[in-house]
Amino acid sequence: DTGVSQDPRHKITKRGQNVTFRCDPISEHNRLYWYRQTLGQGPEFLTYFQNEAQLEKSRLLSDRFSAERPKGSFSTLEIQRTEQGDSAMYLCASSLVGRGGPYNEQFFGPGTRLTVL
Amino acid sequence: SQQGEEDPQALSIQEGENATMNCSYKTSINNLQWYRQNSGRGLVHLILIRSNEREKHSGRLRVTLDTSKKSSSLLITASRAADTASYFCATDAHTGANNLFFGTGTRLTVIP
Repeated sequence: DTGVSQDPRHKITKRGQNVTFRCDPISEHNRLYWYRQTLGQGPEFLTYFQNEAQLEKSRLLSDRFSAERPKGSFSTLEIQRTEQGDSAMYLCASSLVGRGGPYNEQFFGPGTRLTVL
Repeated sequence: SQQGEEDPQALSIQEGENATMNCSYKTSINNLQWYRQNSGRGLVHLILIRSNEREKHSGRLRVTLDTSKKSSSLLITASRAADTASYFCATDAHTGANNLFFGTGTRLTVIP
């Protein structure tokens, strides 16, 4: 399977614990995005990377959230001191943006569903 | 906000009928994309239409874009029960970031 993969698919944690999610993008894609989706809503942008550089963060990304993409390949999203309001589906997407222009067709992974008790 | 808004919020049709969903947005875009999401799953990319395109087809899907009205429509012809899902339009910011802005989606139910 050469699509975007995410791990784990489900995570249940207690309030106050730290959690880390992983995303493996499509191999040749240079951009990687993180989104959050709550029940009944569309995904909301959190942050994105161009290769290993984190170029933009949403205001939704509080200081308890940190994302990395150390070698420009896979990415991790960590949430520290989780709160019940962090319960959501966390989606990763990747795209290839090149000289032809930023058409930015984004391909999404299956998501990690986080439940904070 | 640049967030797209889909209309209707929910749509229920009989198998074989056509389904039309609409999307409106607020600011200039580079392109508009439609995605499908089955319950509890990730998003599946359906089609991308560029701002200089007016219509695009892919199989049973037909997408139109009217940039003067800042609106798009997704038509699914000859619907099947397997088309039951939520459908989202997503627009990109007319900046370098190209992160997507999603609406709340249209929940389509196709009755066998």
